[in-house]
Amino acid sequence: SQTIHQWPATLVQPVGSPLSLECTVEGTSNPNLYWYRQAAGRGLQLLFYSVGIGQISSEVPQNLSASRPQDRQFILSSKKLLLSDSGFYLCAWSHRTVMNTEAFFGQGTRLTVV
Amino acid sequence: GQQVMQIPQYQHVQEGEDFTTYCNSSTTLSNIQWYKQRPGGHPVFLIQLVKSGEVKKQKRLTFQFGEAKKNSSLHITATQTTDVGTYFCAGESRSNYQLIWGAGTKLIIKP
Repeated sequence: SQTIHQWPATLVQPVGSPLSLECTVEGTSNPNLYWYRQAAGRGLQLLFYSVGIGQISSEVPQNLSASRPQDRQFILSSKKLLLSDSGFYLCAWSHRTVMNTEAFFGQGTRLTVV
Repeated sequence: GQQVMQIPQYQHVQEGEDFTTYCNSSTTLSNIQWYKQRPGGHPVFLIQLVKSGEVKKQKRLTFQFGEAKKNSSLHITATQTTDVGTYFCAGESRSNYQLIWGAGTKLIIKP
């Protein structure tokens, strides 16, 4: 069966510090991968998605970046965090086939920038 | 751009009352999915509707997809405390197969 791992679960970082969140998927190959951010009490904002190694699409311009160094690994990074980067970050994957885009989410990382 | 509007943002109900959330897309969708996010948790897939006019039921939950494949609803009959959470719809775009998310409806059970 497929599983998705995302870590850490919580993170407190000072303004201006770097960020690296990692997500890995097991039990499937060639998944679509996604990074979402959810502000407190709000909906899901798609940040990045990837349909393959090294292929990253950005939905919202900001000081975050994403990379996909391996087929089932997706990394969210920042060189310098801002206060506004606080939020709940969710990694998700879906099958590549066009008729089955159900998203499977990781447990999420609650980031607080202080 | 393509948008999915979801209303209401919040709904307070007494336990045992019904709950409904509605989604409306600016464009025709390939399918629509519904997710539930418990407080402090991550979204979990509930169901996918594909066909025009489709209705699906899961126990006390009834999901509908409109004839034009642009709107959808989730209705919960006789809510229970376990239903608490935020319900999201997500429509699949016909142009790029990406999910377009509604803002969610938070179900709150009054004490």
